[in-house]
Amino acid sequence: EVQLVESGGGLVQPGGSLRLSCAASGFTFSNYAMHWVRQAPGKGLEFVSAISPNGDTTYFANSVKGRFTISRDNSKNTLYLQMGSLRAEDMAVYYCARVGLPAASRGWFDPWGQGTLVTVSS
Amino acid sequence: QSVLTQPPSVSGAPGQWVTISCTGSSSNIGAGYDVHWYQQLPGTAPKLLIYGNTNRPSGVPDRFSGSKSGTSASLAITGLQAEDEADYYCQSYDSRLSGSVFGGGTKLTVL
Repeated sequence: EVQLVESGGGLVQPGGSLRLSCAASGFTFSNYAMHWVRQAPGKGLEFVSAISPNGDTTYFANSVKGRFTISRDNSKNTLYLQMGSLRAEDMAVYYCARVGLPAASRGWFDPWGQGTLVTVSS
Repeated sequence: QSVLTQPPSVSGAPGQWVTISCTGSSSNIGAGYDVHWYQQLPGTAPKLLIYGNTNRPSGVPDRFSGSKSGTSASLAITGLQAEDEADYYCQSYDSRLSGSVFGGGTKLTVL
């Protein structure tokens, strides 16, 4: 079964840092681009970051550029999102998602993980 | 303000049909990039509903269909059922932003 499981969410103070992980299973992780998408409470979906299958190309939303980094360890089938200088507006459920086709840099997202909640508050 | 524009809400009675629009611009849908649709049931992660404008993943009922024309796309749901009550999101790629973009979401209420 193709599955993504996020972890690492929690409560962090404004200005703090947090690292999210996304463990993949059931497919050849190194063949697929991966994305992070977030959803603030009661709000819609927002693209956060993307990484190519081999990790050499990354993309970021303007709202997180310079504060977040994305990486992956294909030997561990794991995707990461390092978040820094966190703000109240970063509070959201963070989902990892796989791009639908192998080797594609963009496209549809399937599957999605269950999400991990990041709360930014003092 | 989302890059793709969707109506905040739509509603319909059981058995009826509804459509949800998704309007973009020349840097995303109008540039030829595909549109994809997701269903998000309360308290759950989004689930792929339509990919590549018109294609249904296996397991998605044929009551759901997608279309695209110009700078817009639409999701149609026929034979509404109570379990269709959810939030629906469109997604595409934007060349100016160099990233994926989403609609603001549409809440479907089955009356």
